[in-house]
Amino acid sequence: KAGVTQTPRYLIKTRGQQVTLSCSPISGHRSVSWYQQTPGQGLQFLFEYFSETQRNKGNFPGRFSGRQFSNSRSEMNVSTLELGDSALYLCASSLAYDEQYFGPGTRLTVT
Amino acid sequence: GESVGLHLPTLSVQEGDNSIINCAYSNSASDYFIWYKQESGKGPQFIIDIRSNMDKRQGQRVTVLLNKTVKHLSLQIAATQPGDSAVYFCAENMEGFQKLVFGTGTRLLVSP
Repeated sequence: KAGVTQTPRYLIKTRGQQVTLSCSPISGHRSVSWYQQTPGQGLQFLFEYFSETQRNKGNFPGRFSGRQFSNSRSEMNVSTLELGDSALYLCASSLAYDEQYFGPGTRLTVT
Repeated sequence: GESVGLHLPTLSVQEGDNSIINCAYSNSASDYFIWYKQESGKGPQFIIDIRSNMDKRQGQRVTVLLNKTVKHLSLQIAATQPGDSAVYFCAENMEGFQKLVFGTGTRLLVSP
């Protein structure tokens, strides 16, 4: 069974731009969660989607948003990028309320 | 590597030793705990989990211990191998919330 895939793997953007990251969960998984990983703050939860609905949300500003499609694929969007948004963005999928499997992440650099 | 803070706690062991990595969790209402391993350039990889109705769970070469009284988790790795070198994170979750809260991580360095 294929694992969680994330695209693109690397991205460079400039301040003020917006970005969209994509995540394809493991087949059959309906929950997709997003995390931000930085050297200073570690791994932090952004939000979780289940059956196209946001079920849980972390403490990030409204510039961070996401959505999930009927095939469980998910996207997250960051608008008006700031230097501090440079991070590894990780997506994880699970069946429902259980073990989360992580993708390799998208490395976003904001200049 | 890219996955960790600049001042990450580091545990250095020799190949064949047993390793113990500790973690303090924050929420007394958490009832599901997981250990992840993260190698450079990769996403976290599930190692083992434990629910709050247990105090010990064993996997292949790994054991997780949970002490709810002091909100402490530990991961024991038997016969540590160079391939075990990575950053290890504990994570906590509450039933009904698919929202992991991660610890800061510990870097494990295994020398041959």
